[in-house]
Amino acid sequence: DGGITQSPKYLFRKEGQNVTLSCEQNLNHDAMYWYRQDPGQGLRLIYYSQIVNDFQKGDIAEGYSVSREKKESFPLTVTSAQKNPTAFYLCASTRGESGYTFGSGTRLTVV
Amino acid sequence: AQRVTQPEKLLSVFKGAPVELKCNYSYSGSPELFWYVQYSRQRLQLLLRHISRESIKGFTADLNKGETSFHLKKPFAQEEDSAMYYCALPNTGNQFYFGTGTSLTVIP
Repeated sequence: DGGITQSPKYLFRKEGQNVTLSCEQNLNHDAMYWYRQDPGQGLRLIYYSQIVNDFQKGDIAEGYSVSREKKESFPLTVTSAQKNPTAFYLCASTRGESGYTFGSGTRLTVV
Repeated sequence: AQRVTQPEKLLSVFKGAPVELKCNYSYSGSPELFWYVQYSRQRLQLLLRHISRESIKGFTADLNKGETSFHLKKPFAQEEDSAMYYCALPNTGNQFYFGTGTSLTVIP
């Protein structure tokens, strides 16, 4: 069953802590994306990667980092520099212009 | 700048009534627009794309270049249509610009 898997579903972060959100796909898609979803603000692009070992900043990359060591995996690290990390994070992938396939999301809460 | 605007955050209609979710865009060129939908407790998924000209779950959307719009329409709303709807415009690198979304509630 092909798709995108995000884990964990819920994540709690203490102040000053880095946390990593996992995103794995078995769709053989080249491009992968991280979006942040906040109420009333839609989806905002954090980082994206079109190919292994390459990634680009999106509109709101500050306080986040990513890696793309494998085609299947695109983990997102929320660093302590991100001042307002509480949000719903969505990972997506695509083969081309046919649109995205989305993961089920990770809800991050700062405690 | 490329932009997608969804002017309505919330929209309520009665079951069986027509529904129209508005989307306006700003794009230099010939855009290809998409509608995504997020049902309660489900992941965001593609509903339809302009280029395919399909009708999905009774929804259609026509690109109006003169009005720079891509409104989503359905003649008779059903309760299962209640969801969050996002209009999206692709950019270079297959990125998408998303609108802020419209939450549709169909009242029984």
